[in-house]
Amino acid sequence: DTEVTQTPKHLVMGMTNKKSLKCEQHMGHRAMYWYKQKAKKPPELMFVYSYEKLSINESVPSRFSPECPNSSLLNLHLHALQPEDSALYLCASSLSGTSGSDTQYFGPGTRLTVL
Amino acid sequence: AQKVTQAQTEISVVEKEDVTLDCVYETRDTTYYLFWYKQPPSGELVFLIRRNSFDEQNEISGRYSWNFQKSTSSFNFTITASQVVDSAVYFCALSEAFDGSSNTGKLIFGQGTTLQVKP
Repeated sequence: DTEVTQTPKHLVMGMTNKKSLKCEQHMGHRAMYWYKQKAKKPPELMFVYSYEKLSINESVPSRFSPECPNSSLLNLHLHALQPEDSALYLCASSLSGTSGSDTQYFGPGTRLTVL
Repeated sequence: AQKVTQAQTEISVVEKEDVTLDCVYETRDTTYYLFWYKQPPSGELVFLIRRNSFDEQNEISGRYSWNFQKSTSSFNFTITASQVVDSAVYFCALSEAFDGSSNTGKLIFGQGTTLQVKP
């Protein structure tokens, strides 16, 4: 079962709102990722958790706050976003996150619109 | 520096035509991994194939085939007898082997090729 689930599928929020994106996998993977993808562009890595520890933060603004409660769950807390943050947010997971040979499996994404 | 180039931005074909999507990569590492992903309009990136730098055998999976040539740093993807359901954005990506740094496992994506298959 190579399934990564994400909720919600769509999210519209105002610049003063606080919301969270959720991601879940049950493949026994120990690495989870957040990507941001703008239209007609490749995904851009935001954060990586490996064994529930934040291992990579690609200089993402603090209005994005990741959380990994356990090895199966990954959240992205959003606060005071800007309209330019509107994008498709993809979650992925892989075996360990410590090897380039790991295949990353992606979820269906959350389409975020910031008004 | 690592880099992946997909020079074809958009390709349009008629159903049943064969189509090849090009991917050229740059890396200084001797051990690396190459991937292809498909992204249909729904948005999810679907994993298609992973190839390591020591395995230059071509691979075939149904209508899909991949040609890996280290001599030209290319990893091209061919769809035989294309179908409308093949319409999607296709990404080629590169990852380097474990080196103990924080960059381990990061995927370097190409810009993607949008394939449109018309009935």
